[in-house]
Amino acid sequence: QQQVKQSPQSLIVQKGGISIINCAYENTAFDYFPWYQQFPGKGPALLIAIRPDVSEKKEGRFTISFNKSAKQFSLHIMDSQPGDSATYFCAALPGGNEKLTFGTGTRLTIIP
Amino acid sequence: DAGITQSPRHKVTETGTPVTLRCHQTENHRYMYWYRQDPGHGLRLIHYSYGVKDTDKGEVSDGYSVSRSKTEDFLLTLESATSSQTSVYFCAISYSGFEQYFGPGTRLTVT
Repeated sequence: QQQVKQSPQSLIVQKGGISIINCAYENTAFDYFPWYQQFPGKGPALLIAIRPDVSEKKEGRFTISFNKSAKQFSLHIMDSQPGDSATYFCAALPGGNEKLTFGTGTRLTIIP
Repeated sequence: DAGITQSPRHKVTETGTPVTLRCHQTENHRYMYWYRQDPGHGLRLIHYSYGVKDTDKGEVSDGYSVSRSKTEDFLLTLESATSSQTSVYFCAISYSGFEQYFGPGTRLTVT
């Protein structure tokens, strides 16, 4: 069963715009939520991560927003650039468990 | 790729043959993982290791076995490859069990 639901499957955003990717989860035992970025032909790379004790974390143009009551978290990419075109995966890890569960991915395309 | 190498990078094999994929790290991280990536499924955990000779099953472990005799090496074996195991396989490592760092991947085709 899909424990982390990610949407949309694909997203096209104009250069300079805001890209938003959403994830939802059911398992309240999850307590670590990373986002990964993957370019074609490469392995996923850790982008940013958040724990549920904060509602937002920002690193440069990338922000995670976390809503614990709704069991949702999202990635916002500000001032999106063509170099941000990649597939993005959200993931979740339960406390005390090393098994990371991934969403199905969002293919982001930034157009000029 | 955080001191992780995978070999081979590409392999084509026939149904029914055994296949071993190797993951090698130079980071001395405790945790090592094998994932497969398929369209529409994201990354799914096959097996992972939390120390030398300590391994556990992931979400899609059927048809796969692993071994870790040294900290730096984690082997994934398909005892008898099937076409459903055609996929891209990624190894990942982690120091703490939280941040995971992925290798470059192995593209396996089973004909």
